[in-house]
Amino acid sequence: DSGVTQTPKHLITATGQRVTLRCSPRSGDLSVYWYQQSLDQGLQFLIQYYNGEERAKGNILERFSAQQFPDLHSELNLSSLELGDSALYFCASSVWPSGLDFRSTDTQYFGPGTRLTVL
Amino acid sequence: QKEVEQDPGPLSVPEGAIVSLNCTYSNSAFQYFMWYRQYSRKGPELLMYTYSSGNKEDGRFTAQVDKSSKYISLFIRDSQPSDSATYLCATTPPSGTYKYIFGTGTRLKVLA
Repeated sequence: DSGVTQTPKHLITATGQRVTLRCSPRSGDLSVYWYQQSLDQGLQFLIQYYNGEERAKGNILERFSAQQFPDLHSELNLSSLELGDSALYFCASSVWPSGLDFRSTDTQYFGPGTRLTVL
Repeated sequence: QKEVEQDPGPLSVPEGAIVSLNCTYSNSAFQYFMWYRQYSRKGPELLMYTYSSGNKEDGRFTAQVDKSSKYISLFIRDSQPSDSATYLCATTPPSGTYKYIFGTGTRLKVLA
């Protein structure tokens, strides 16, 4: 158990709908990352927050947004869902934001994921 | 060309075999390299990270980086059925960015 929690575990919804995925980082971790994992694309970085502020963006669609709250939990909002959005969505957390000089405190710990199915 | 490439497998080996998992990367500026293990329906977990060229050992696992050929490897000695998982390599881009770049993963099956 990494200490990162994600809810819900599974989500089934229809095209055009909007969903919210929730992540609670490990105790003491200030940085949260969101990833999308699909069979053909592998693990793709979406966005990173550090202590409530956005730090980096990856291949995140405009239909997707995220935020990190004062209690450090994070939510990923996916709207106008399409069939191709079906994937596993992972949240990871680290003490510090990964980058510049990698240290053990940059290690990203992953949650169990949310499996999203868009019908 | 993808920035990090891995053979997706599956790679099937008998119990006790030495396993070699490999990744290539495209940008010589990449500095740090990690190996994550992901069991089915679970999140990835960090196995090892390395910085410089050479070997780093941790129990049955050895990570190797060859920056001259932009090649990284993970060796598993005395492989066990419990090692059956998908192994993802990852790297951190040059200074100023904060994202990890992952390979697509190699699925390993260790047969009892």
